[in-house]
Amino acid sequence: GAVVSQHPSRVICKSGTSVKIECRSLDFQATTMFWYRQFPKQSLMLMATSNEGSKATYEQGVEKDKFLINHASLTLSTLTVTSAHPEDSSFYICSARKVFGTDDQPQHFGDGTRLSIL
Amino acid sequence: TQLLEQSPQFLSIQEGENLTVYCNSSSVFSSLQWYRQEPGEGPVLLVTVVTGGEVKKLKRLTFQFGDARKDSSLHITAAQPGDTGLYLCAGAEEDGNKLVFGAGTILRVKS
Repeated sequence: GAVVSQHPSRVICKSGTSVKIECRSLDFQATTMFWYRQFPKQSLMLMATSNEGSKATYEQGVEKDKFLINHASLTLSTLTVTSAHPEDSSFYICSARKVFGTDDQPQHFGDGTRLSIL
Repeated sequence: TQLLEQSPQFLSIQEGENLTVYCNSSSVFSSLQWYRQEPGEGPVLLVTVVTGGEVKKLKRLTFQFGDARKDSSLHITAAQPGDTGLYLCAGAEEDGNKLVFGAGTILRVKS
């Protein structure tokens, strides 16, 4: 079953609207979550690393004021696309990594959010 | 930033054929993961390889991690239409936190 839940799965809204996407780890605690963006038929591009209780780390070229990340608890991270414009339309995916001792834990991904800005 | 080159980018084959997807880097990864993604969904983890030279099998899929932990391959035997999808390799950087993704391989298996 799914271990990472992402909501909503699809959003269609007008230009200028702010959109919030939630990412939840369902049965484990995740001190670190990741936000990716994916264009059609392309790979995932890491946007930022979300750290529980501290500021997110953004990748080069990603505007932190445009893509606000909040990781307020060990099971929830949110990405807010502020004042979205058509060029922000994309597939946004989050992932979370279980933290158990020193075992190498893979990232588990949510089902993504298809954002369409009109 | 480490780079991971994945090839081929596209693959269209007939049902029953075999295929191999490659991921190569000049950098060492602490582990490497293979994912499969269907349209409109998130990537689903297929396997994680950690040890250099490791070989893992998942039914008709065979995954190999290079001895130097810089490259990996995915081999599918007797491909089926249900194998169609986007295959992604992703290497974990030495600190084990971030993943570096390959460009992906779009596989289409025709019946």
